[in-house]
Amino acid sequence: QVQLQQSGAELTKPGSSVKISCKASGYTFTSYDISWIKQRPGQALEWIGAINPGSGGTGYNEKFKGKATLTVDKSSSTAFMQLSSLTPEDTAVYYCARGYLGYWGQGVMVTVSS
Amino acid sequence: DIVMTQAPLSVSVTPGESASISCRSSKSLLHSNGITYVYWYLQKPGKSPQLLIYRMSNLASGVPDRFSGSGSETDFTLKISRVEAEDVGIYYCGQLLENPLTFGSGTKLEIK
Repeated sequence: QVQLQQSGAELTKPGSSVKISCKASGYTFTSYDISWIKQRPGQALEWIGAINPGSGGTGYNEKFKGKATLTVDKSSSTAFMQLSSLTPEDTAVYYCARGYLGYWGQGVMVTVSS
Repeated sequence: DIVMTQAPLSVSVTPGESASISCRSSKSLLHSNGITYVYWYLQKPGKSPQLLIYRMSNLASGVPDRFSGSGSETDFTLKISRVEAEDVGIYYCGQLLENPLTFGSGTKLEIK
């Protein structure tokens, strides 16, 4: 069955960076885009961007350009998102999702606090 | 960016009754291929969102047929027939026609 297994919670300081992962299984990794979605506590969903694992091509929400960098490692069927220059406004749960968001990871809580 | 506007903000439903949630897009979501790229998701408390309806009216795998989606190019409705306790959560509409993908602000469904 399709699964997206995300890495564990992160507690980081303002100004730092964090890299979270999303390991795919149960399907051909290169056949579907992986999107990343942000959800601040009690808030709605925000699409950050997506990556095509086959080509490595990316598309970003303008709002997150310079904040998020999407990459993949095809050998391990894992997608990554690096968030840089973190501020408290980056505190959120970050989800990965496949294709037309038909399958979602369990989410990673990133907390930015001094 | 395409703005997705949902209503109501919350709805309280008696088990066995029906509920409808509306969503309006700021631009037509009808592609030239004839597909309307509106999707519906349910986020149960403490869980990741799950896909309910894709391409306006198609039921996702494993979703009960109590759920249905309909609409036009810019106005969409999610209907839940015979609401059950397990249906509680926040419902989001989303447009996957163009980047950036955007979502409505959510409708919270509660059981009376």
